[in-house]
Amino acid sequence: GAGVSQSPRYKVTKRGQDVALRCDPISGHVSLYWYRQALGQGPEFLTYFNYEAQQDKSGLPNDRFSAERPEGSISTLTIQRTEQRDSAMYRCASSHTSAGPGQSTDTQYFGPGTRLTVL
Amino acid sequence: AQKITQTQPGMFVQEKEAVTLDCTYDTSDQSYGLFWYKQPSSGEMIFLIYQGSYDEQNATEGRYSLNFQKARKSANLVISASQLGDSAMYFCAISDYGQNFVFGPGTRLSVLP
Repeated sequence: GAGVSQSPRYKVTKRGQDVALRCDPISGHVSLYWYRQALGQGPEFLTYFNYEAQQDKSGLPNDRFSAERPEGSISTLTIQRTEQRDSAMYRCASSHTSAGPGQSTDTQYFGPGTRLTVL
Repeated sequence: AQKITQTQPGMFVQEKEAVTLDCTYDTSDQSYGLFWYKQPSSGEMIFLIYQGSYDEQNATEGRYSLNFQKARKSANLVISASQLGDSAMYFCAISDYGQNFVFGPGTRLSVLP
């Protein structure tokens, strides 16, 4: 079946502009996660949802970052007033259930990511 | 707080040889999951293998196996019969009741012909 998809794959924007990054999870997956990955480093957690409810947003760097998943499927990560330090790969992942803790159904499947460059 | 340590920034292995990538973790939770992902130069994140904290058997998936030593809090990935296509970054991750994954810094594996 189809995997996690993200759009756009590449985004170049000027400092101060707002950007919206989209994630379409695997059909039927309950949980959706957003990560940010700097070059040569592991993904860093930003926020996650179970269905439409945002369960944890402790990883969002500041209030310029927000995310939503209004119908429990597609999610959008929005960055307002972008800054050069926001440049990174933004990755979305989804998992089958939120059974937890540490169950195999928690396995997260990642999308290809959106490479954001802020000039 | 959780923490994942991968002490090998880079590893080399000869094609067809086996290689072990180290991962140690720190958690106060009794129930957790350990995951390994592969990230080739194309940038995708590919799930390789999962180990639950209560699993008594070491996980295996094809050429991948996980050497899980709970008392030592280690979950090393073993790749048997290395192939050129195994050259990539490898990330170890842990999840607990909080469910978000915490990733380690990764190990870059280079397979030599």
